[in-house]
This record gives sequence, C-alpha cells and structure tokens, in this order.
Amino acid sequence: QQQVKQSPQSLIVQKGGIPIINCAYENTAFDYFPWYQQFPGKGPALLIAIRPDVSEKKEGRFTISFNKSAKQFSLHIMDSQPGDSATYFCAAPYGNKLVFGAGTILRVKS
Amino acid sequence: NAGVMQNPRHLVRRRGQEARLRCSPMKGHSHVYWYRQLPEEGLKFMVYLQKENIIDESGMPKERFSAEFPKEGPSILRIQQVVRGDSAAYFCASSPNRVVNTEAFFGQGTRLTVV
Repeated sequence: QQQVKQSPQSLIVQKGGIPIINCAYENTAFDYFPWYQQFPGKGPALLIAIRPDVSEKKEGRFTISFNKSAKQFSLHIMDSQPGDSATYFCAAPYGNKLVFGAGTILRVKS
Repeated sequence: NAGVMQNPRHLVRRRGQEARLRCSPMKGHSHVYWYRQLPEEGLKFMVYLQKENIIDESGMPKERFSAEFPKEGPSILRIQQVVRGDSAAYFCASSPNRVVNTEAFFGQGTRLTVV
C-alpha cells in the first residue's frame, strides 16, 4: 500500500520559531524524499530533498531529518519568517510516481 | 531555462464540454506527470508519460480522461464531457529521469471550473 501520512494538518508559530512537520511512509523500493512548498494560487515548488544515505540535510533555514528504520522524515524551518507561511507537502517515491502527504498549512505570525 | 509551462492558467467550461490542458516540460526533461488537487486537499497522481508513451495511468479515471505527450509539442490532458466534480487545479510536473530518483518541477497549474 502506498501511503504517506503527514502531520500536523496545520501549524501556527511565532516569527523566529521552529515549526516541525512530520511524515511517515510505507515500504518503498526507492530512496528519494522531497518536500514541496506551495503558496495560494501557485504550483508546488521543490524546497529540499533527501536520499537516506544521510540522516540529515540542511539547505539554508530548511533541514530534513530522516529515520530510515522508522520510515519517518521531518522538515524543520529555522528562524521562521512570515514569508514562510504556506502549505508544505512531503512526498515518497512509489513505482513510477511520487505519492504526496495531505499537506500542512503553516502560518508564521509576525 | 524556462520552467514548466502550463496553459491556460484558468479555464471555465460548461457541463458536457471538453477541457484541454497543456503542459510544456522544462528543457531537457522527457518525463511528464499530471496531478490533480482538489480545494484544501493534497496532490493526487493521475498519469506519467514519456515522449509518445503512457507509462503509468493508474490514477486516471477510466472514462472521459485521456493524456498524451507527442513527439513534438506539449503534453495534453483531455477531459471530455466535463462534470462539476472535475473542478480542480491540475498540475503538471517534469523531470529529467524517473521522478522516483530525481527532482520533479511543477508548473503553475490550470484551474478548471465547471459551471
């Protein structure tokens, strides 16, 4: 079965806080796990991705932590800003496609 | 290098009409994916195509929906005899290789409204 469970559904943090979004996936034969950011009325934009030969990847203020044995990975946003307010989607690879989580609506209050 | 281009951005169709959505992948990308997004929901896979071939259409409704990616020109997602339930945002993504191994980039989507 191809499921990606994402939590929380929504999240509100103060500016400067560190929102954490979690994803759990089921067995997959592939090793590529991306996160996408989507603003209202726009397409999803690739934010950061990880291959599980490493447990953590950092790009700017965005960090992915990966736990292969638990089949979980999470997105951390350091020093969050109001401009980070968006919907975030994790995805896992299955067969010929990426299967997406349901999304997390993040609001960063100034 | 232009990104993934989708047109039209907005499309209004009456029930029973046909909708044609176009997607031009990024330069050098030969893999195209179509996803549908309902309001307040995630992205649902529809179909995966390479040039002139449908590789995986497991997410496509069995009736009224079809997709193609000809040798020349954009990929087309075609919805015949549209119904109100087809109203959604349709996104196209492209990648240089199979998306399970590499980055996929999305277009801005086509927002279809069926009235």
